[in-house]
Amino acid sequence: DTGVSQDPRHKITKRGQNVTFRCDPISEHNRLYWYRQTLGQGPEFLTYFQNEAQLEKSRLLSDRFSAERPKGSFSTLEIQRTEQGDSAMYLCASSYKTSGGSNEQFFGPGTRLTVL
Amino acid sequence: EDQVTQSPEALRLQEGESSSLNCSYTVSGLRGLFWYRQDPGKGPEFLFTLYSAGEEKEKERLKATLTKKESFLHITAPKPEDSATYLCAVQAPGVDTGTASKLTFGTGTRLQVTL
Repeated sequence: DTGVSQDPRHKITKRGQNVTFRCDPISEHNRLYWYRQTLGQGPEFLTYFQNEAQLEKSRLLSDRFSAERPKGSFSTLEIQRTEQGDSAMYLCASSYKTSGGSNEQFFGPGTRLTVL
Repeated sequence: EDQVTQSPEALRLQEGESSSLNCSYTVSGLRGLFWYRQDPGKGPEFLFTLYSAGEEKEKERLKATLTKKESFLHITAPKPEDSATYLCAVQAPGVDTGTASKLTFGTGTRLQVTL
């Protein structure tokens, strides 16, 4: 069994370029989350999906950010017209929704984005 | 708005010197309190979930406890391999959906255990 995987692990881009990250969740998990983490801070929630439906987006998520989970399996996070402030670790997590509602989220290794 | 405050920000212990990390939280309708361990450059690794006040969970040298306002992560006789950042997070009902969804994290406690 493999855990959550993310690709690429590192991305360096120039300001104004578009970037796309991929996340493959644990196979039986129906929920997928995206978080962003900057140095010295805890992860901040960006958005999450249940199957292919995007159920919640953070107010932090500007119009330049878009996420998809087209078939309820892997997900992509795209950032358009990157800015230096977008430099961060982008973390993906997955979980299995239970009737009780609360469930553990398992994180991937993250994608480190550096915007020059 | 949900808030999580962790203290201390950093903690240096000698091997075998037990201590506790604190996580204070404010949340409307706690669905779960989570502890994660994070090594530099890696994603958080799940440790524990606590659901109600009075609950305790243990794993090796770690023990997590929960009250109505805070959680403690007790580290007994730590070893150098316990050095990491320990993150606390709370989960509340989602605003739009009513079901538990996102985690709200604290800034973590950086633990260093020396020989």
